[in-house]
Amino acid sequence: DGGITQSPKYLFRKEGQNVTLSCEQNLNHDAMYWYRQDPGQGLRLIYYSQIVNDFQKGDIAEGYSVSREKKESFPLTVTSAQKNPTAFYLCASSPRDGYGYTFGSGTRLTVV
Amino acid sequence: QKEVEQDPGPLSVPEGAIVSLNCTYSNSAFQYFMWYRQYSRKGPELLMYTYSSGNKEDGRFTAQVDKSSKYISLFIRDSQPSDSATYLCAVDSNYQLIWGAGTKLIIKP
Repeated sequence: DGGITQSPKYLFRKEGQNVTLSCEQNLNHDAMYWYRQDPGQGLRLIYYSQIVNDFQKGDIAEGYSVSREKKESFPLTVTSAQKNPTAFYLCASSPRDGYGYTFGSGTRLTVV
Repeated sequence: QKEVEQDPGPLSVPEGAIVSLNCTYSNSAFQYFMWYRQYSRKGPELLMYTYSSGNKEDGRFTAQVDKSSKYISLFIRDSQPSDSATYLCAVDSNYQLIWGAGTKLIIKP
């Protein structure tokens, strides 16, 4: 079955640590996205990539970094510069000339 | 002003009621409108999408777009407890989606 796999489902980070969230898709989609979701708020775009080896900052990119070395993969690193990283992180993909996103199941990151 | 406005709720209705969920948007150039459903601790899933104005029906769900008033709606008939979720509206802007805040819907048995 085609879809998007995010791992891990739950992640705990100590203050000052960098952590990397994994996102893999087998839908052959060109575009991939990372969103952050906080309680009572909508989806806020962190980074997006429309093609391999290229990515763009979204609305809240500070404290985050990404790479897109393969079409299937778009990992997100939450760096120690992100002051409030506790949130639900969602990865999505879409065809370049299509509409509608497919989402993964999310990773819940908690700072301890 | 946000580009897409949506009341976060929660909206609580009895089972079997007709539910109306709504969003407003600011840019008249938007053409594609979508509704996503998100269950707790899950990713959103595409429920319906419409192009330009008009209605689109899928089973108990009807999506409606009124471009003259920049208003989009999702109606759920014969609501079920399994419809309890957060419903997010989104509009397409150059293949990127602009999201509403999401409305939490609770269907009481």
